[in-house]
Amino acid sequence: GQNIDQPTEMTATEGAIVQINCTYQTSGFNGLFWYQQHAGEAPTFLSYNVLDGLEEKGRFSSFLSRSKGYSYLLLKELQMKDSASYLCAVMDSNYQLIWGAGTKLIIKP
Amino acid sequence: GAVVSQHPSWVICKSGTSVKIECRSLDFQATTMFWYRQFPKQSLMLMATSNEGSKATYEQGVEKDKFLINHASLTLSTLTVTSAHPEDSSFYICSARRGHPGGYYEQYFGPGTRLTVT
Repeated sequence: GQNIDQPTEMTATEGAIVQINCTYQTSGFNGLFWYQQHAGEAPTFLSYNVLDGLEEKGRFSSFLSRSKGYSYLLLKELQMKDSASYLCAVMDSNYQLIWGAGTKLIIKP
Repeated sequence: GAVVSQHPSWVICKSGTSVKIECRSLDFQATTMFWYRQFPKQSLMLMATSNEGSKATYEQGVEKDKFLINHASLTLSTLTVTSAHPEDSSFYICSARRGHPGGYYEQYFGPGTRLTVT
């Protein structure tokens, strides 16, 4: 079966760095996506990885290791507005997105 | 960037009535759109995949006669919740798939529709 695992909840301090991990087992792989979702709102796109390595985009970076079925999202210089759920999703061989349950990130002053 | 709109943003209806939700891709053509529902503090649950000009593909456990999907054009898909009941109250989100020049697909989400059935 297909499975995406990520922690349910994480807490970090404003200004700090946090890493949210995601492991996956899917039938086929056409890329891994990270989305941010604030409470009561729809998800917004953060990053896409299809090749191994690190993709950096401002304060956010995303890493992928296809051989390990592993990705992480790194958030630097945390701000209170970063409090949200972060969803890991893998596009399978049918180009369908398989979603993780999301990681709720709580930022404390 | 790509924009997907959804209408209405929120709707309250009486039990037994039907509600139609529209999803539009405003600046690109989407042959494939997706409908999700999300209960509080839970992840997205894919309901169905909507393909332009053909019947929607429903996920297991989703009643196709209750959740009618029509993808009549490359920029519009509609979800009609028929004979709504309080347990259908949820956050319904659509997304449109777009091919990227980098050779992959990306999904853009609408803002969601909060349905409350009384």
